[in-house]
Amino acid sequence: GAVVSQHPSRVICKSGTSVKIECRSLDFQATTMFWYRQFPKQSLMLMATSNEGSKATYEQGVEKDKFLINHASLTLSTLTVTSAHPEDSSFYICSGVGAAPYEQYFGPGTRLTVT
Amino acid sequence: DAKTTQPTSMDCAEGRAANLPCNHSTISGNEYVYWYRQIHSQGPQYIIHGLKNNETNEMASLIITEDRKSSTLILPHATLRDTAVYYCIVRGVYNQGGKLIFGQGTELSVKP
Repeated sequence: GAVVSQHPSRVICKSGTSVKIECRSLDFQATTMFWYRQFPKQSLMLMATSNEGSKATYEQGVEKDKFLINHASLTLSTLTVTSAHPEDSSFYICSGVGAAPYEQYFGPGTRLTVT
Repeated sequence: DAKTTQPTSMDCAEGRAANLPCNHSTISGNEYVYWYRQIHSQGPQYIIHGLKNNETNEMASLIITEDRKSSTLILPHATLRDTAVYYCIVRGVYNQGGKLIFGQGTELSVKP
């Protein structure tokens, strides 16, 4: 199957700083990428849909000014958590959608810890 | 997309078949049933999907009832590495390439 990578795999940052997470489709072009967040013992929660060359669409309750998404190319989407706080500590997972049959391939996730 | 209901957890003995049920009683005719699994601290992994007919691949089999209101994912010979949370998701054929909404899933524990 197609491969999606994320970088970094884990990051620790101080409260008030910003952190950027990269999501890359390595062997396919992804016109659409999705960003999810997962807290311990909970399911994945969709945060936003990222389309190449256009603004991201955020799910209800997700602050677009806090979680900045950029999808500048068909193989790269980035999520920037701005002014991070301890409650933003979570497991962030991205996915990319390729051509037909439009399967969704997930990255390995990024563990963010805000101290 | 229709909602799904799964048991919270299940146990299975290593080497035996694991049968994971999913109820999707409100599924409509143009909606697929997808199965993903998530091993601890990893991203979800696609397993299989189907519309009406039963499907089989190298990982699992998917049995969909004739009325399509429920389905069962079968791992024929479960191993310890199959311990994971399994998610059953219904997704519209016109939503291909669209977002997936994850429920709580079934936590499968394969025991020696």
